Parts: sequence; C-alpha cells; structure tokens
Amino acid sequence: EVQLVESGGGMVQPGGSLKLSCVGSGFSFSGSAIHWVRQASGKGLEWVGRIRSRSNNYATAYAASVKGRFIVSRDDSKNTAYLQMNTLRSEDTAVYYCTRVATIPDYWGQGTLVTVSS
Amino acid sequence: DIQMTQSPSSLSASVGDRVTITCQASQGINNYLNWYQQKPGKAPKLLIYDATNLQAGVPSRFSGSGSGTHFTFTINSLQPEDIATYYCQQYANFLTFGGGTRVEIK
Repeated sequence: EVQLVESGGGMVQPGGSLKLSCVGSGFSFSGSAIHWVRQASGKGLEWVGRIRSRSNNYATAYAASVKGRFIVSRDDSKNTAYLQMNTLRSEDTAVYYCTRVATIPDYWGQGTLVTVSS
Repeated sequence: DIQMTQSPSSLSASVGDRVTITCQASQGINNYLNWYQQKPGKAPKLLIYDATNLQAGVPSRFSGSGSGTHFTFTINSLQPEDIATYYCQQYANFLTFGGGTRVEIK
C-alpha cells in the first residue's frame, strides 16, 4: 500500500524556521518526484515546490511565493523528503501536504499543520 | 506559469442530478490533468487522471473529458457522499490547481 506521512508541523513565530518531513512507503520512493502543496484554512491548493529523482539530478523548483526561503531536499536511503522553511511569514500558515509523482501525481499524505504566529 | 480557471466555484444540486465542472488552462497541457475530491479535514483524493481515466476504486459515475486547454468533470447521478470540494490540477509544468468547486446537496 502506498503511503506518505508528513510530520514536523507546529507553531512558529514570524521570521522563524521549521523543517517538515515526508516519509514514503509501499512504492519506489527513489524513483519518484516529491512535491509539496499547501492549503490555508478555507482556501484552495497551492503548489510550493518539488524535488525530482536521482535520475533527474534531484532537480528542485519552487513557487515564487517561497523561492529563496524554502528548500526541498531528500534522503532516498530513508525514503524521506524534507521541506526546510525559513523566514516564515503569517501567510505561510497552512496545512502542508507532500504528494508523489511517479508517472502522474496520485498519492498524498495526510498533511501537517504549520502555524506562523507571534 | 500555467493558470487553471475552474468554474463554477460552488453549486447546489439534487440527489440523482448530473453535475458538470469545467476547467480551462491558460495554455495547452495535452491531457496532463487530474481531478480530485477533497472532504473537510482530509487530503485530496485522486478521481480522474490524464483527463479521462478513472482511478482504480473510484465509482463509475465520475468521468472526465477534454484535452488541450478545455476540460470537463462530470458526476452522473449525484450521491450524498459526493458532497465535497473538487479541484482540477495540471501537471504539464510543475503543478497548478483550479480554484475549486464546492458541491452541495439542494
């Protein structure tokens, strides 16, 4: 069974940092791209960034709203992808999901809530 | 960046009705389009991939059509358990989502 499990969310002050994790199981994690998507309360889905597989040189890309502040990385030996979030703002408050793209985007994790507030 | 325009933003229909949602891409995306269902507090669930293909285990009353820039999602015979928000998603270039359609029972 394909599973993605996010963790690491919590409350942080504006300007602070947080690192999210996404652990995959039941599929070829190393062969999949991992994307991060967020959703503010009552709002729609917003793509945050992604990291491709080793065969695609671990290429990363980011939404304009987080570029320069967020970093996506992965450790295939641990079947884990990460989202390092720096210089957090109130508008980064959201549930953060990871989703895999093997051939198509399909499975999502359950999400982890990040709250940026003083 | 590819923009996805989804309509309507909400709709109310009776049980048994046919429901149609449209999504327009700002540029051609071939058939690189998914449709998701999201219920409150849950992650999105894939219903349709590659614009027209039904994901395994999804009821056949859900269907998708279209290619290029214009796409349609249909629920034939709306059921009470279909109350949710539906999103289109393009994956031709990174990921972009439509604004969502909230489906309610009349």
